This record gives sequence, structure tokens and C-alpha cells, in this order.
Amino acid sequence: DSGVTQTPKHLITATGQRVTLRCSPRSGDLSVYWYQQSLDQGLQFLIQYYNGEERAKGNILERFSAQQFPDLHSELNLSSLELGDSALYFCASSIRVRTDTQYFGPGTRLTVL
Amino acid sequence: GNSVTQMEGPVTLSEEAFLTINCTYTATGYPSLFWYVQYPGEGLQLLLKATKADDKGSNKGFEATYRKETTSFHLEKGSVQVSDSAVYFCALLNNAGNMLTFGGGTRLMVKP
Repeated sequence: DSGVTQTPKHLITATGQRVTLRCSPRSGDLSVYWYQQSLDQGLQFLIQYYNGEERAKGNILERFSAQQFPDLHSELNLSSLELGDSALYFCASSIRVRTDTQYFGPGTRLTVL
Repeated sequence: GNSVTQMEGPVTLSEEAFLTINCTYTATGYPSLFWYVQYPGEGLQLLLKATKADDKGSNKGFEATYRKETTSFHLEKGSVQVSDSAVYFCALLNNAGNMLTFGGGTRLMVKP
């Protein structure tokens, strides 16, 4: 158990809908990262937040957004969902904004029908 | 940009066989390198890491050596067990120290 929690574990929804994925980092970690694991794209970095501020952006679609709250939990919002958004979404956390160890949560499996 | 290439699987071995999973990378500078493991139905777990050239990362009988001259970080284990069956990901960390770039993953199946 890494100490990173993600909810929900599974999510099934329809095309065009909007969903919110939630992540709680390890106690004391200020940095949160989001990754997407899909069959065709593999594991890709989406975005990083540190202490409430966006710090790095990867291949994140405009339909996707994230935020980190004062209690340091983070949410990934996915809107206008398409079939291709079906994937496993991982959250990771670390103490510092710049680190060599990221601790991953168990992931949220999103299925878009 | 950064990229990681690892051998495609699945790799099927008998228990106690020797394991090698190849990983090569392309990056500017000298990134930190990692192996992560994903057991069925679970998230990613850090298996081992190396932060500079010639470093050897090791954990649970697995080893990998950071080879700058060949830009490689091959994973090895002398004697695999059924419980090692999982998907293994090679990854590198960018110079900013915040973004991991992963290889495509290699599924290992160990048969008794």
C-alpha cells in the first residue's frame, strides 16, 4: 500500500458525460501527478500540481482539467467523454515539486460506453 | 523528446529461470531511471531505481544497471517465481524532476 488513495475504483459512464476522479496523496506529500494508461497510448503523464498550483502539463486534452485543493487532495475532471477516454487513470504523489520517487495509487478504471 | 523502448511481451518462463527484460532510452542529459511493476488488478509499484551512470538498482532479487554508453537499463533476475508474474515498466524522469516517461510495458508470465 503506497498511501495514495483514489476513488472511485471503477466508473462506467456514457459518451458525452462528465466525471470527476479523486486522489488523496500520501500524508505530507505536496505534489500530485495524474497519468493515463490506455491500450493504444500506454502510460502517459497528464498534469502535475504542487501545493495547489499547476506545475507541469503533459499530453492532457482540453476536455480534461484538474485542480488541487487546500487539503492537498486533487480531482481530475473529464468532460464530453469519448469512447477513447476509456482507460486506467493513476494518481501519484511526492513530497517535493522535484523528486525522483513518485508513489502511485491503485488507479480508477474508467469505461465509456 | 524523451522516450523509452522496452521489449514486447509476453515473456513466458518456467519457475527458477533467468529473466532479462531489455530497456533502452533516449533523453537529454542523465535522467534517473526506474523499473515499476504492476501486479494484476493493482497500481504501479516502484521496483528499483538508479540515478546516475553505472549505478545498480536492486530489490527483491531484481537488478538493473544504468549504462550510459548504451543508454540501457535492462532488468534481470536470476531465478523467477510464479509470484513475479506481472507487467514491468521501464521509465525515466525528465530533467525537471517531475514527469515520468514510460515504456510500453512487458508482461511476464512464470509457470510452475
